[in-house]
Amino acid sequence: TAGITQAPTSQILAAGRSMTLRCTQDMRHNAMYWYRQDLGLGLRLIHYSNTAGTTGKGEVPDGYSVSRANTDDFPLTLASAVPSQTSVYFCASSDGESSYNEQFFGPGTRLTVL
Amino acid sequence: GQNIDQPTEMTATEGAIVQINCTYQTSGFNGLFWYQQHAGEAPTFLSYNVLDGLEEKGRFSSFLSRSKGYSYLLLKELQMKDSASYLCAVEDSNYQLIWGAGTKLIIKP
Repeated sequence: TAGITQAPTSQILAAGRSMTLRCTQDMRHNAMYWYRQDLGLGLRLIHYSNTAGTTGKGEVPDGYSVSRANTDDFPLTLASAVPSQTSVYFCASSDGESSYNEQFFGPGTRLTVL
Repeated sequence: GQNIDQPTEMTATEGAIVQINCTYQTSGFNGLFWYQQHAGEAPTFLSYNVLDGLEEKGRFSSFLSRSKGYSYLLLKELQMKDSASYLCAVEDSNYQLIWGAGTKLIIKP
């Protein structure tokens, strides 16, 4: 089982350009999340989705948008990238039905905005 | 505000024991998680505590005191492969995880 996959692995993007980070899971998990991880800071939640068709804003949603058309996919879009969005982005999922909310992470996308 | 505090870095010797502390102040509490993250890789789940006390899982144990807003991760019989960052996260009243910045553990031979 692949678990969670993310694409691309890394990307260099010019400021002002748009980009979509892809995330796909094959575990049929209800909940999915997008985090960014920056040196010296904890993982920060950008957006989340508790189930297909619904999304919510996390701690740092500005400049990002998401959609959840189906259970498996949860793409993250940067409409007009800025250098402060340089980060490592992790997608995660959880089944939402266990006694606790263990999250499973994808391998991450390293994004550099110049 | 919500806050998770962990030491930035710790060093320990192969074969020894190390304790990584985590203190938290969050809006609500629905459990505390420890994750391991090797450099350049994704975090992976280590342990979960929701009740006070010690949870043991092989060489790793995790302790929780809700009244003190405190947890620790105890690693025994340290191996070189345990060199990694250890992330403490609290599930708040909205069932979202609030993450600490992580503790980088360096193991020396």
